[in-house]
Amino acid sequence: SAVISQKPSRDICQRGTSLTIQCQVDSQVTMMFWYRQQPGQSLTLIATANQGSEATYESGFVIDKFPISRPNLTFSTLTVSNMSPEDSSIYLCSGTGGDTEAFFGQGTRLTVV
Amino acid sequence: AQRVTQPEKLLSVFKGAPVELKCNYSYSGSPELFWYVQYSRQRLQLLLRHISRESIKGFTADLNKGETSFHLKKPFAQEEDSAMYYCALLIQGAQKLVFGQGTRLTINP
Repeated sequence: SAVISQKPSRDICQRGTSLTIQCQVDSQVTMMFWYRQQPGQSLTLIATANQGSEATYESGFVIDKFPISRPNLTFSTLTVSNMSPEDSSIYLCSGTGGDTEAFFGQGTRLTVV
Repeated sequence: AQRVTQPEKLLSVFKGAPVELKCNYSYSGSPELFWYVQYSRQRLQLLLRHISRESIKGFTADLNKGETSFHLKKPFAQEEDSAMYYCALLIQGAQKLVFGQGTRLTINP
């Protein structure tokens, strides 16, 4: 099984600023994903982080707002840009390896004030 | 459209009682379904998947294609089963998961 280290675990940010969240996996994973979990709601997929190419975004999410990088098979970042209070949420990264089991980071609890 | 529905947001049962967390799905392809669990202050983790047909921590789940369901069951609940449970559907090809809304299970002593 893979272990994903995600940081920061939480942050309080001013509106209009940006925050970059990092995920480091202890082994190579085939796929990496970024999710958002708003208070009291389920996990919503933001995008699939593709190694060496642009991420694949889900409907309602755009690259300008959530730029994603994945330079190699073990690392990815998500930036939440030009934040507003509506961006307050938990952000999660996950990865899948040879089979279909997904592993998750601890999550980043973001509060925008 | 692919969708996962967990009709109960909250479920509370007494210790030793049977538990059933409901999950229904909508998917045009061949479904691969999972149950993920998040215990207090822990990360989301896999509980079980239908293709392995195994029992984990006393929980089982059977895929019923006729009823498009994948309900999670345990005959005798324990206090340590209190957690948030998510049913998830794997979208073939894209290999991404679609999650249900989650059910918060509370086991009362």
